[in-house]
Amino acid sequence: AQSVTQLDSQVPVFEEAPVELRCNYSSSVSVYLFWYVQYPNQGLQLLLKYLSGSTLVESINGFEAEFNKSQTSFHLRKPSVHISDTAEYFCAVSDLDAGNKLTFGGGTRVLVKP
Amino acid sequence: GAVVSQHPSRVICKSGTSVKIECRSLDFQATTMFWYRQFPKQSLMLMATSNEGSKATYEQGVEKDKFLINHASLTLSTLTVTSAHPEDSSFYICSARDGTGPSPLHFGNGTRLTVT
Repeated sequence: AQSVTQLDSQVPVFEEAPVELRCNYSSSVSVYLFWYVQYPNQGLQLLLKYLSGSTLVESINGFEAEFNKSQTSFHLRKPSVHISDTAEYFCAVSDLDAGNKLTFGGGTRVLVKP
Repeated sequence: GAVVSQHPSRVICKSGTSVKIECRSLDFQATTMFWYRQFPKQSLMLMATSNEGSKATYEQGVEKDKFLINHASLTLSTLTVTSAHPEDSSFYICSARDGTGPSPLHFGNGTRLTVT
């Protein structure tokens, strides 16, 4: 079964500083990768996704993630965070060998300080 | 596009009663919907896969008689927590995929269930 590991459960960061959220998944032949963001008491919103093609994917609000097949990683980065980026971030993997079932990592709570 | 509406957003019920949660895809048809449960400060745990017109597929350890899922149409799935107990208190989130293959899931805003 697929597993997803987010190494950092919480990341405090100052406003306008860069942030990186790490995500590793167990090996699989074909996977699709996603980052979702969750604000308090809300559902999840898709931040960005990797399906194929360029290994670097970007979101409209400045986040980017890079798919690294050899390291089975899909780390999320933002060069300069805002207070509004304070939220929980979930990495997820869709495994084609398991009927596209989505497996989530444990989540990383980003707390942006002024 | 691709909006999933979940209702209610918050519900408090007494122990022993049943609670129904609705999940609707507003602008697309979803043959498959997914129900997740999230404990405080934890990740989402897939409970079951809801299939339109057929029985739901439950994950290991999830009681199908306690968490009744009905997917009567292409835009509506319901989760009924029967004979609720305080340990059923949790955040329940539904999701649906717009299309087939690797298209991402779209999530409802969740339902906070508190059983007293």
